[in-house]
Amino acid sequence: DAGVTQSPTHLIKTRGQQVTLRCSPKSGHDTVSWYQQALGQGPQFIFQYYEEEERQRGNFPDRFSGHQFPNYSSELNVNALLLGDSALYLCASSFMGEIYNQPQHFGDGTRLSIL
Amino acid sequence: QQQVKQSPQSLIVQKGGIPIINCAYENTAFDYFPWYQQFPGKGPALLIAIRPDVSEKKEGRFTISFNKSAKQFSLHIMDSQPGDSATYFCAASDGGYGQNFVFGPGTRLSVLP
Repeated sequence: DAGVTQSPTHLIKTRGQQVTLRCSPKSGHDTVSWYQQALGQGPQFIFQYYEEEERQRGNFPDRFSGHQFPNYSSELNVNALLLGDSALYLCASSFMGEIYNQPQHFGDGTRLSIL
Repeated sequence: QQQVKQSPQSLIVQKGGIPIINCAYENTAFDYFPWYQQFPGKGPALLIAIRPDVSEKKEGRFTISFNKSAKQFSLHIMDSQPGDSATYFCAASDGGYGQNFVFGPGTRLSVLP
């Protein structure tokens, strides 16, 4: 049973460029959340997707956008990259079967470095 | 209101010791409190979680104590082992549809052999 998979594992970009990160949720999960984890800090919630729609959003600018596909996989897009966007980007999946908290399972992340 | 405070920032214990990590929150709408363990180069892995209707939950060597009136909760690791050396994050969620999780800043635990 495959867990949450993210690609690529590492990525180097320059300021002003655009990047797309990908996530496949754990089998049986239908909800994907994205987090940004700066070095030495806890994950910060970016947004969550369910039924191909953004359901909740954290305090991140519009440069951060996403998409969820019919097979529940998801993409995170970041435009006009800034040096401060350098971080580990984590994808977490869960099952929205009940309208209550469900455990989130995390992938190992994509390490994004901006030069 | 959305913050989760966590202490200590780092912790060093001897093998067999009982490290305790504390977290506090302000938002009374939070109703789900998980703890995650993260090793270098890996994503966070769910260890144990508690809801506010119980004061303690134990799973293996890991125990969560929860004090609803004080809005505090803590993680105890019994008989700690060098393999437990990792960064631990507490988190809180206000449930419902959105599952917006707020994470603490993390505690780096080192268990010496």
